[in-house]
Amino acid sequence: DAGVIQSPRHEVTEMGQEVTLRCKPISGHDYLFWYRQTMMRGLELLIYFNNNVPIDDSGMPEDRFSAKMPNASFSTLKIQPSEPRDSAVYFCASSERGSYNEQFFGPGTRLTVL
Amino acid sequence: AQSVAQPEDQVNVAEGNPLTVKCTYSVSGNPYLFWYVQYPNRGLQFLLKYITGDNLVKGSYGFEAEFNKSQTSFHLKKPSALVSDSALYFCAVRVLTGANNLFFGTGTRLTVIP
Repeated sequence: DAGVIQSPRHEVTEMGQEVTLRCKPISGHDYLFWYRQTMMRGLELLIYFNNNVPIDDSGMPEDRFSAKMPNASFSTLKIQPSEPRDSAVYFCASSERGSYNEQFFGPGTRLTVL
Repeated sequence: AQSVAQPEDQVNVAEGNPLTVKCTYSVSGNPYLFWYVQYPNRGLQFLLKYITGDNLVKGSYGFEAEFNKSQTSFHLKKPSALVSDSALYFCAVRVLTGANNLFFGTGTRLTVIP
């Protein structure tokens, strides 16, 4: 298996623009997680899905952030409009059913908002 | 509420010496505990986990961790550090009967000095 795939790996955009981050989880995994990592705040859980259904989005910072999972093999995280404080590395992770199972992380998308 | 504490932001150790990265947790039920490692510009990589059974857990790359219920700790250890072990290490906890998301510590940067 290729592991969790994220695209793009790097994104540079200007304030006010829409940004879409993409994730393909490992086949057969029931759970998908979106995280944000910054020096100041560390690793933050934004939202997670179970069988394509959002379970907990309490970590989504603002209405400017939205996430979807239209099918078991694809998820998007969208920021509209983007702001400089959104600059961070965004990780997607997936895991099998069962709370004892570890999460597998993608390589991340480094977002820079100018 | 669940939480994880990594009391040391930075740990330095000489190559060949034993290393310890500390983690304590606070949960309201039985914990599942995990260690992850992050190399520069990479996603988090699973090292090991404690679910039940033997308190000493062995994982990847020669790492091990000991679950201590009375001290609510799950310290990561390795008998002989390598320069290539230099990375950012995260401890995480999930409650047996809780939601499927992980609660991550703030991370400890390990530097192995040649």
